[in-house]
Amino acid sequence: DAGVIQSPRHEVTEMGQEVTLRCKPISGHDYLFWYRQTMMRGLELLIYFNNNVPIDDSGMPEDRFSAKMPNASFSTLKIQPSEPRDSAVYFCASSLPFEKLFFGSGTQLSVL
Amino acid sequence: RKEVEQDPGPFNVPEGATVAFNCTYSNSASQSFFWYRQDCRKEPKLLMSVYSSGNEDGRFTAQLNRASQYISLLIRDSKLSDSATYLCVVNPTGGGNKLTFGTGTQLKVEL
Repeated sequence: DAGVIQSPRHEVTEMGQEVTLRCKPISGHDYLFWYRQTMMRGLELLIYFNNNVPIDDSGMPEDRFSAKMPNASFSTLKIQPSEPRDSAVYFCASSLPFEKLFFGSGTQLSVL
Repeated sequence: RKEVEQDPGPFNVPEGATVAFNCTYSNSASQSFFWYRQDCRKEPKLLMSVYSSGNEDGRFTAQLNRASQYISLLIRDSKLSDSATYLCVVNPTGGGNKLTFGTGTQLKVEL
């Protein structure tokens, strides 16, 4: 299996632009997670899905952030409009129930 | 108080040394505990789970102290390749797959 695949690896954008991050989980995994990592706050859970249904989005910082999972093999995290404080590494992870998380390589987002 | 707290380090140790990290958690109802390892500019990967009875995997030993609400990771005979950030991870609800990560402890093993 190719593992969790995220795209793009790097994204540089200007403040106010829309940013879309993409994730393909490992086939057969029921859970999908979006995390954000910064030096100051570490890894923060933004939202997670179970069988394509959002279960907990309490970590989504504000309405500018939205996530979708239209099918079992694809998820997006969208930021609109983006702000410099959104600059971070965004990780997607997937897992089976009660099993370890497999992380993608992350998207390094820089908002200028 | 943060849900999971770790000393950020860095811990600089010579090769062959024994080093230990502690991590405290705030939710006494937490059921599952893990240590993840993250190399620079890479994604986190599971190092080991932490069981109530303690567990060992080669040079690595993990222990849980529920009374004091902390977990520990001991690395014996440290190698240069052990240099990384070690993330303490807790499942605060005891159910489902929602994990809370600490900010990590950085380890640097030197010649």
